[in-house]
Amino acid sequence: GNSVTQMEGPVTLSEEAFLTINCTYTATGYPSLFWYVQYPGEGLQLLLKATKADDKGSNKGFEATYRKETTSFHLEKGSVQVSDSAVYFCALSDQVGGYQKVTFGTGTKLQVIP
Amino acid sequence: ETGVTQTPRHLVMGMTNKKSLKCEQHLGHNAMYWYKQSAKKPLELMFVYSLEERVENNSVPSRFSPECPNSSHLFLHLHTLQPEDSALYLCASSQVFLGETQYFGPGTRLLVL
Repeated sequence: GNSVTQMEGPVTLSEEAFLTINCTYTATGYPSLFWYVQYPGEGLQLLLKATKADDKGSNKGFEATYRKETTSFHLEKGSVQVSDSAVYFCALSDQVGGYQKVTFGTGTKLQVIP
Repeated sequence: ETGVTQTPRHLVMGMTNKKSLKCEQHLGHNAMYWYKQSAKKPLELMFVYSLEERVENNSVPSRFSPECPNSSHLFLHLHTLQPEDSALYLCASSQVFLGETQYFGPGTRLLVL
């Protein structure tokens, strides 16, 4: 079956540091890839996505590129802010019958300190 | 109301109680999902309704019973739960097509005593 592996957290960075959160996946077919973010006390919300190989998703300074050859979708940001502190989930979706099934990674907690 | 709403936000129940979680989406989507989020575990997909028909039941114990009366509303009926069922229960909705974003509600934090 499909699976998503992302780096263990927590990740602690100083403000304005460079962020990378690694994500690799295993899937049959051609899944879509996502990064979701969860702030304390809230549900998950979409951060960015890519639906085919070599696509780059970007939002709020975050970027990730769909690399089929390495089955990866690493999240990067050039300069993190305290407000980026949250849990980040890598996910893939695949069409299963009449709906899309989303498989999530375990999440990586990011803490940014001033 | 916009997006996906869930009520209640917090729930404490005994093992012999019966309660229901409610989810409502205002996005015109045609698929709805229940997930369970426990500490240090990936999100677990529990149930999926696509076009108001249940299409996935991920080996969830029968003490959890979903109901989808229309495309905008989703319920999770709970009875005789166990302490290990304590978790954050998230509802989500989307269009059924591949690559469509799932939109999540804020969740119901459930504690079973």
